[in-house]
Amino acid sequence: DADVTQTPRNRITKTGKRIMLECSQTKGHDRMYWYRQDPGLGLRLIYYSFDVKDINKGEISDGYSVSRQAQAKFSLSLESAIPNQTALYFCATRDRGSTEAFFGQGTRLTVV
Amino acid sequence: AQSVTQLDSQVPVFEEAPVELRCNYSSSVSVYLFWYVQYPNQGLQLLLKYLSGSTLVKGINGFEAEFNKSQTSFHLRKPSVHISDTAEYFCAVSDGQGAQKLVFGQGTRLTINP
Repeated sequence: DADVTQTPRNRITKTGKRIMLECSQTKGHDRMYWYRQDPGLGLRLIYYSFDVKDINKGEISDGYSVSRQAQAKFSLSLESAIPNQTALYFCATRDRGSTEAFFGQGTRLTVV
Repeated sequence: AQSVTQLDSQVPVFEEAPVELRCNYSSSVSVYLFWYVQYPNQGLQLLLKYLSGSTLVKGINGFEAEFNKSQTSFHLRKPSVHISDTAEYFCAVSDGQGAQKLVFGQGTRLTINP
């Protein structure tokens, strides 16, 4: 089983719909991150969390919200999806004392 | 704030040829530097990292990178590539403090031709 698991792997949704992307990890890391990847733009940080009570906005948080339900779970929500949120979304984790981030396999989201 | 520029969006090379993927960064503070690889339909995997010390860093799969502070560069090299190296490569920087948020470059798609 993967250490960082994202569900779903692929999702097509309609404009205006609410959608949640989920991330769970078995690595025991306290830090979790959500990034989106767009062609030619690399990965950009949406939100990050140091622990259950510590949530921080990243570079492009508008239109997104997150929930850290437990140390192992970090969900990303799009309250009202729009087509320019079509992208590949990655969850990542990192241990407090480490510099290495571990990534999930990504969720490909298409908003039509 | 940090930023990263990968100078080539696509690099085609022949199998067994050498390759260099270029990365420049800007930062007002000391940084940590990383190269990640993304194979098709997979997440990102760490290739190598520079934190301090020797400026030549060796990573997995025969890759290495050299940190050049004066040129603010961290180019990735491999002396002989294989078909299996076909992937997208991302250079990233973090400030090494607190959140250690990664700032990524735009990515370079490496295509290996037989």
